[in-house]
Amino acid sequence: DAGVTQSPTHLIKTRGQQVTLRCSPKSGHDTVSWYQQALGQGPQFIFQYYEEEERQRGNFPDRFSGHQFPNYSSELNVNALLLGDSALYLCASSLRKGRSNQPQHFGDGTRLSIL
Amino acid sequence: GEDVEQSLFLSVREGDSSVINCTYTDSSSTYLYWYKQEPGAGLQLLTYIFSNMDMKQDQRLTVLLNKKDKHLSLRIADTQTGDSAIYFCAESSYSGGGADGLTFGKGTHLIIQP
Repeated sequence: DAGVTQSPTHLIKTRGQQVTLRCSPKSGHDTVSWYQQALGQGPQFIFQYYEEEERQRGNFPDRFSGHQFPNYSSELNVNALLLGDSALYLCASSLRKGRSNQPQHFGDGTRLSIL
Repeated sequence: GEDVEQSLFLSVREGDSSVINCTYTDSSSTYLYWYKQEPGAGLQLLTYIFSNMDMKQDQRLTVLLNKKDKHLSLRIADTQTGDSAIYFCAESSYSGGGADGLTFGKGTHLIIQP
């Protein structure tokens, strides 16, 4: 049973560039969430996707956008990269059951470095 | 706004019990979670508790929830060197649409002394 998989594992970009990160949810899950974890900090919620729509968003600018595909996989896009965007980006998946969600399971993350 | 607080470090001797504490502010929290993160890895779900429960036990792990004081603790019995990691407390609060982005603390580094 494959868990949450993310690609790539590491990425180096320069300021002003754009980046796309990818996530495949755990088998049987239909909801994908993205988090940013800066060094020495806890993860910060970026947004959550369900039924191909953004359902909730944290305190992140519009430079951060996402997409969910019919097979439940998801992409995180970040435009106009800043040095402060350097972080570990974590994807989590869960299964929505009625109004409540099952616990979120995390992938190993993509480490993004901005030069 | 929502906030989750944890102590940054905890040092225990191998074989002793570890107790990691967490406080949160959102009274509408529905689930509270403990995740474990080892160096260079993602987050591993350890256990979780629904907000209408007081206690949950799962093998060496015991979670206690004091909803009145908004205090959550994780007890690890018979702590081993493999338990050395960062432990994150997190809460979920449902938005009107049913989404549940998690709010995390900064994590507690558990250090095991031989």
